[in-house]
Amino acid sequence: KNQVEQSPQSLIILEGKNCTLQCNYTVSPFSNLRWYKQDTGRGPVSLTIMTFSENTKSNGRYTATLDADTKQSSLHITASQLSDSASYICVVSGGGSQGNLIFGKGTKLSVKP
Amino acid sequence: DAEITQSPRHKITETGRQVTLACHQTWNHNNMFWYRQDLGHGLRLIHYSYGVQDTNKGEVSDGYSVSRSNTEDLPLTLESAASSQTSVYFCASSVRAGTGETQYFGPGTRLLVL
Repeated sequence: KNQVEQSPQSLIILEGKNCTLQCNYTVSPFSNLRWYKQDTGRGPVSLTIMTFSENTKSNGRYTATLDADTKQSSLHITASQLSDSASYICVVSGGGSQGNLIFGKGTKLSVKP
Repeated sequence: DAEITQSPRHKITETGRQVTLACHQTWNHNNMFWYRQDLGHGLRLIHYSYGVQDTNKGEVSDGYSVSRSNTEDLPLTLESAASSQTSVYFCASSVRAGTGETQYFGPGTRLLVL
């Protein structure tokens, strides 16, 4: 069964610290993997997307990595800010159409001053 | 600025009533999607459309319907609301059909069915 598992479920860090969120998937075939950020009370916003051949992609203080062999991805946040408090959702596409996206349950990150 | 909007933002209704949630986008995107988001679940696809007069069922379509009469709008109708349909509903749109295309999400509608 195609699944996307994210860990941890929730995380609390102090402002200025780094953190890493994990995403493991069993989706096959694999087309691409995307990370979304969802602020409380708002819709998700895309951070990065990676295809099979990409290992790393950055968007400001956000760096996503992909290991297609082990079917793992991580999202690293550097020098966290209060505005990074949000849920981060990993989404995997197995190809075909956008009707076949597999969403993880998300990691809820809280950044404390 | 082009955008995607949802209305109402909050809705309380009673079991058995028909409810329609509106989604409107001004990007002229061909593709539109409806998801629901519940605690303990990832976003789950309800219905989607790749263009005018096109509609497709998603993973959790039972009890929901959509119609696409123009490019800008994809209203979601709950035929007979049930308590299990209490959720946060998100509409999204994208330019093209490829799986690498970014979906842009609306702000969500929080629905409570009593």
